[in-house]
Amino acid sequence: GENVEQHPSTLSVQEGDSAVIKCTYSDSASNYFPWYKQELGKRPQLIIDIRSNVGEKKDQRIAVTLNKTAKHFSLHITETQPEDSAVYFCAASHQNTGNQFYFGTGTSLTVIP
Amino acid sequence: NAGVTQTPKFRVLKTGQSMTLLCAQDMNHEYMYWYRQDPGMGLRLIHYSVGEGTTAKGEVPDGYNVSRLKKQNFLLGLESAAPSQTSVYFCASQEGRAGYTFGSGTRLTVV
Repeated sequence: GENVEQHPSTLSVQEGDSAVIKCTYSDSASNYFPWYKQELGKRPQLIIDIRSNVGEKKDQRIAVTLNKTAKHFSLHITETQPEDSAVYFCAASHQNTGNQFYFGTGTSLTVIP
Repeated sequence: NAGVTQTPKFRVLKTGQSMTLLCAQDMNHEYMYWYRQDPGMGLRLIHYSVGEGTTAKGEVPDGYNVSRLKKQNFLLGLESAAPSQTSVYFCASQEGRAGYTFGSGTRLTVV
């Protein structure tokens, strides 16, 4: 099955700086890559996703890039704010043969005011 | 429109006891999933269903059973709870090739 690795496991940044979280995947057939944000004690919420026919997608301060050749994708958060503090999960899915997501182990992001 | 509802929210079991976690969605989604979340291990898929009456094993199915008798409900059962099953359990539903909608989670402790 698919194996998703996520780095770093913890990340601290000053408010206003950028944060980057990286994930790699093993199955070259994976074609859908969502990112989830989970605040303490809450459910994971989808914040952005990208499909394999696109190299980059942006939504306000959040962007995701995908390198299919290298099998890695990254989440970029610019102008970080304290409310961005949460655990972020990447996932990969091969939606031609099944919709189940394989998640990375998470990155705990702390934005220091 | 409640989305995905999980019950109960918290539960403490003794080793060997059984219980059923209920997941209900009102979005008419075909796909439903059960994940467990443990520190440092992310979300791991236990079982999933691609439609009413169907179920399939995920990454960590041992010790769990599921049923999808109605499209809106996906039940996760523990027949004989073990301390290793202490975890936070999340249900999710999905329509087509979209992202998941998660429930609010069930925190289970097995003593």
